[in-house]
Amino acid sequence: DVKVTQSSRYLVKRTGEKVFLECVQDMDHENMFWYRQDPGLGLRLIYFSYDVKMKEKGDIPEGYSVSREKKERFSLILESASTNQTSMYLCASSPRGTRGTDTQYFGPGTRLTVL
Amino acid sequence: AQTVTQSQPEMSVQEAETVTLSCTYDTSESDYYLFWYKQPPSRQMILVIRQEAYKQQNATENRFSVNFQKAAKSFSLKISDSQLGDAAMYFCAHKTGANSKLTFGKGITLSVRP
Repeated sequence: DVKVTQSSRYLVKRTGEKVFLECVQDMDHENMFWYRQDPGLGLRLIYFSYDVKMKEKGDIPEGYSVSREKKERFSLILESASTNQTSMYLCASSPRGTRGTDTQYFGPGTRLTVL
Repeated sequence: AQTVTQSQPEMSVQEAETVTLSCTYDTSESDYYLFWYKQPPSRQMILVIRQEAYKQQNATENRFSVNFQKAAKSFSLKISDSQLGDAAMYFCAHKTGANSKLTFGKGITLSVRP
């Protein structure tokens, strides 16, 4: 079974802190994704990566950056956390497939609170 | 750009009954895929079912089936013989064939009454 893990289930940070959210997958997937989930807004894509050291902006990249130094690990960075970044963050991975075989597998999520 | 619309924020179903969750989408692509994901309370999001747009036959996975109406751009999920464990948030999602990115709807919270 595909396993996607995230470093923390719950995280509380202060405004202005630098925050790192880590995601690791064990299935050798090429693609990795970071989403933000807010009530009434569904999931919105922040960034994704289709290979090591490659990244592409999603729909809401402002205030975030990412790092992918190794294939299995994809980090989301909040350079200076703000209260409007309080949210649930979901990581996902998928193989680089064709004909829609690149199903995304999700991690358990990190609920981040910024005070 | 693709959009996915789930207009009902909440639904409720009696245990053992059937419920249908609605989803519409908009795309200009001819090669695309549709998904339903389930997110149980405090648990991981998992794939329920997927549909390839080029397939006319509706996808089925045990008690879960879809009604895919391509011309109407509608993709509803039917859950038969509802169980307490079906209570969750359900998300409809779309992706094009050339792109790995998913576009999600806002989700619907399904509750199951015992």
